Amino acid sequence: DSGVTQTPKHLITATGQRVTLRCSPRSGDLSVYWYQQSLDQGLQFLIQYYNGEERAKGNILERFSAQQFPDLHSELNLSSLELGDSALYFCASSVSGGAAQETQYFGPGTRLLVL
Amino acid sequence: DAKTTQPTSMDCAEGRAANLPCNHSTISGNEYVYWYRQIHSQGPQYIIHGLKNNETNEMASLIITEDRKSSTLILPHATLRDTAVYYCIVRVAKTGNQFYFGTGTSLTVIP
Repeated sequence: DSGVTQTPKHLITATGQRVTLRCSPRSGDLSVYWYQQSLDQGLQFLIQYYNGEERAKGNILERFSAQQFPDLHSELNLSSLELGDSALYFCASSVSGGAAQETQYFGPGTRLLVL
Repeated sequence: DAKTTQPTSMDCAEGRAANLPCNHSTISGNEYVYWYRQIHSQGPQYIIHGLKNNETNEMASLIITEDRKSSTLILPHATLRDTAVYYCIVRVAKTGNQFYFGTGTSLTVIP
């Protein structure tokens, strides 16, 4: 158990819909990262937040957005869903996100299926 | 971030040491080598990391060559529960500090 929690575990929805994925980081961690893992793309970094502020963006679509709240939990919002958005979505956390030797700890993921 | 090259798959007999190689010939002086593994579709699990020196923890050992262009992750006594995809990642401190995962090595531990 990494200490990072994600809800829900599974999500089934239809094309065109909007969903919200939630992540609670490990106690004391200020940075949250979101990753997407699909069959054809592997694990891809989407976005990072540090203490409520966006710090880095990766391959995140404009239909996707995220935020980190004052209690440090984070939400990833996926809108206008397409079949290709079906994937595993992982959240990770680290203490600050600013050091090369800083380890990230991953949550169990949310499996999204868009029908 | 520096690219890494890993074998696509490997087998290892249960109870034997599993040696997983990683090539990172373009690594820079301030880039760390990290190893994670992913069992089925679970979240990636941190194993070990290092910069120059060899490292050991309760899970594994990491051997980094002197020129730092390659490394080997060693699982000393592989068990069936070590069957997973193992990712070797090199990483430099920068804004964001995210990991870039490659395709990894699929390790199968055989009874």
